[in-house]
Amino acid sequence: RKEVEQDPGPFNVPEGATVAFNCTYSNSASQSFFWYRQDCRKEPKLLMSVYSSGNEDGRFTAQLNRASQYISLLIRDSKLSDSATYLCVVKTGAGNKLTFGGGTRVLVKP
Amino acid sequence: DTAVSQTPKYLVTQMGNDKSIKCEQNLGHDTMYWYKQDSKKFLKIMFSYNNKELIINETVPNRFSPKSPDKAHLNLHINSLELGDSAVYFCASSQGEGPEAFFGQGTRLTVV
Repeated sequence: RKEVEQDPGPFNVPEGATVAFNCTYSNSASQSFFWYRQDCRKEPKLLMSVYSSGNEDGRFTAQLNRASQYISLLIRDSKLSDSATYLCVVKTGAGNKLTFGGGTRVLVKP
Repeated sequence: DTAVSQTPKYLVTQMGNDKSIKCEQNLGHDTMYWYKQDSKKFLKIMFSYNNKELIINETVPNRFSPKSPDKAHLNLHINSLELGDSAVYFCASSQGEGPEAFFGQGTRLTVV
């Protein structure tokens, strides 16, 4: 089983709609959780950290469920510019090792 | 002012050759990394250095040798390149155990 698993998609989303997707992680000792965004042929960039109580950043809402070992990302009022691959990232153990999921591709269409 | 810069951006080479990829960060971070992103888009950590010391060394063939002359630089040398080494290699840096890793633009390596 992969350490961090994501539905690869693509999620085809009409502009203005809401889309949500999850990521599961296998190591219950994982400490920190993040969503990164990667555009085609570009480097990954931090979108947001995920906190235990859930957190929001504009149109983006992240949730963490430690009991079921998953995190989620919800995008409201999708924009064309939200089209990207969203990478679930888990930090476990020392050395600041970030383990990446395979990414969920989101395509927002007019 | 590029925060994490790596060169070259593209590298096409023949099997069996030796090549190097250079990485520099001007963020003052003390931790640097090399990640490999394969054709299936999985990003896997290869190495992590903190203040020039090797911290993480994942299961990587010993043909791959990182070198960190100072905390702002982490270079990757690859010996005897194989077809399976074709991938995008990303350098990244972070401050200690901070949450955010800043990535370079990637080096697209193609071995023919």
